[in-house]
Amino acid sequence: QTVVTQEPSFSVSPGGTVTLTCGLSSGSVSTSYYPSWYQQTPGQAPRTLIYNTNTRSSGVPDRFSGSILGNKAALTITGAQADDESDYYCVLYMGSGISVFGGGTKLTVL
Amino acid sequence: QLQLQESGPGLVKPSGTLSLTCAVSGGSITSSDWWTFIRQPPGKGLEWIGEIYHSGTTNYNPSLKSRVTISVDKFKNQFSLNLISVSAADTAVYYCARTLTPANHFDHWGQGTLVTVSS
Repeated sequence: QTVVTQEPSFSVSPGGTVTLTCGLSSGSVSTSYYPSWYQQTPGQAPRTLIYNTNTRSSGVPDRFSGSILGNKAALTITGAQADDESDYYCVLYMGSGISVFGGGTKLTVL
Repeated sequence: QLQLQESGPGLVKPSGTLSLTCAVSGGSITSSDWWTFIRQPPGKGLEWIGEIYHSGTTNYNPSLKSRVTISVDKFKNQFSLNLISVSAADTAVYYCARTLTPANHFDHWGQGTLVTVSS
């Protein structure tokens, strides 16, 4: 079974730039997987940040951007702020109606 | 504004059946979208459970497929999850969400409901 991989944790300084990645245990991520990214703070439902690789959801600041970097999907946060400290999840569409979440990345801003 | 609201028992006995309903308001469940259940065990990551179209067509997570049924009630504008033979591993916050195609992303989420499996 294919596993979607994410860094378990990452830290960034306030004002800094960080890139989180979303890969596959076997193979490369492409736009055909329709990568999407979600932000979750404790006790809250996830919030959609990016879909279809690089389309920002309504109301999401432009310091969040999505892309394909090498063989992975990527979420880049430019000018990190304290309230960006959250868990970030990617989702890949595997075809045949099946979606798979990555394990999530806990981002610390300090 | 589309809203989704989960409801159902917060406690289920081991080997029993977990049943949840997601009520959709501010939009029609017969739109050209899919309706999805996602869960999150305490302190762990998110897991896609499955989805349904208003025609009744379903897709399920292969690891749960033998135990899961998702159904739709167009007249009540809601969809439901049944998970049989539950164990403590099924304890989680269960979310419902709308899946937009073709990008297959979850654009609206319910607030989530905690279901605990315990005797």
